[in-house]
Amino acid sequence: RKEVEQDPGPFNVPEGATVAFNCTYSNSASQSFFWYRQDCRKEPKLLMSVYSSGNEDGRFTAQLNRASQYISLLIRDSKLSDSATYLCVVNSDTGRRALTFGSGTRLQVQP
Amino acid sequence: NAGVTQTPKFQVLKTGQSMTLQCAQDMNHEYMSWYRQDPGMGLRLIHYSVGAGITDQGEVPNGYNVSRSTTEDFPLRLLSAAPSQTSVYFCASRPNRENYEQYFGPGTRLTVT
Repeated sequence: RKEVEQDPGPFNVPEGATVAFNCTYSNSASQSFFWYRQDCRKEPKLLMSVYSSGNEDGRFTAQLNRASQYISLLIRDSKLSDSATYLCVVNSDTGRRALTFGSGTRLQVQP
Repeated sequence: NAGVTQTPKFQVLKTGQSMTLQCAQDMNHEYMSWYRQDPGMGLRLIHYSVGAGITDQGEVPNGYNVSRSTTEDFPLRLLSAAPSQTSVYFCASRPNRENYEQYFGPGTRLTVT
């Protein structure tokens, strides 16, 4: 079983739609959670950290469910510029203080 | 600040050749990492360093060496290239072991024929 699992998609949504992605992680000792965004043929960039109480940044909302070991990302009022791959990232490697990356969920927002 | 820089952007090697991928950061970050990204597999950690003079292996270290003689530079050396090392390589840095907010370089696309 992968340490961090995501639905690869693609999620094809119209502009203005609300879309949600989930990600599950296997290491119950994980403490830090993130969403990164990766545009085609570019480097990943930090989108937002995920806090225990949930957090919001503009149109983006991240939630953490420790009991079920999943995190979610909700994007409201989708824009064409939101089209990208969204990577779920967890610090499951606590010894190395390393991050474990999911394979990503691809989002395509259509006009 | 330039952030994290990587050279070259593209490289083609023949099987058995060696080369060094360069990585530098100007943010005075202690923690630096090298990843490879392959389709459907996510980013996998090759080697990492928690400070100058200290390096350690990640998840997929075989066939690669690293060194960290300065805080700024963290080169990745391919010892004897193999087709299985065809991938996109990303260097990343973050302030320290406890701060997980990581910044990536633009990547190097490597093809081994």
